[in-house]
Amino acid sequence: DAGVIQSPRHEVTEMGQEVTLRCKPISGHDYLFWYRQTMMRGLELLIYFNNNVPIDDSGMPEDRFSAKMPNASFSTLKIQPSEPRDSAVYFCASRTEREGSYNEQFFGPGTRLTVL
Amino acid sequence: GESVGLHLPTLSVQEGDNSIINCAYSNSASDYFIWYKQESGKGPQFIIDIRSNMDKRQGQRVTVLLNKTVKHLSLQIAATQPGDSAVYFCARRGGTSYGKLTFGQGTILTVHP
Repeated sequence: DAGVIQSPRHEVTEMGQEVTLRCKPISGHDYLFWYRQTMMRGLELLIYFNNNVPIDDSGMPEDRFSAKMPNASFSTLKIQPSEPRDSAVYFCASRTEREGSYNEQFFGPGTRLTVL
Repeated sequence: GESVGLHLPTLSVQEGDNSIINCAYSNSASDYFIWYKQESGKGPQFIIDIRSNMDKRQGQRVTVLLNKTVKHLSLQIAATQPGDSAVYFCARRGGTSYGKLTFGQGTILTVHP
């Protein structure tokens, strides 16, 4: 398996533009997580899905952020409109629901977003 | 509160020495404590976890110790190698956040050859 795949790896955009980040979880994984990492705030959970259903979106900073998981192999995180303070590395992670694996999340390589 | 924090932001060791990375937590309603490693330019990677009713768990070259009395967690790495250089995060799972992990801020470990 290729692991969790994220695209793009780098994104530079201007303030006010729409940004869409994409994630393909590991096949067979039931959970998908979106995180944001900055020097100031560390690694923050934004939202997570179980079997394509959003379970907890309490970490989504504001209405400008939205996430979808239309099927088991694809998820998007959208920011509209983007702002400079959204600049960060965004990680997608997935895990199984298999007993004993609840703590092991598999992270993608991340998308480095820069909003000018 | 819902926080998992670290004592030291940086740790430098010589190759072959043992490393100890510390973590303090404030929320006792945790089922598990977990350690992740993040190498430069990569996503975090799971190392080891420990259930909250345990005091010690050993893996390959790593040992995690949990002291619930003082709410302290540590990761010991034996015979540290240059490849161990990374940021190490402690995390917790449980209580009201059963399905998700809450991460601490991280400790930078640098191993000098």
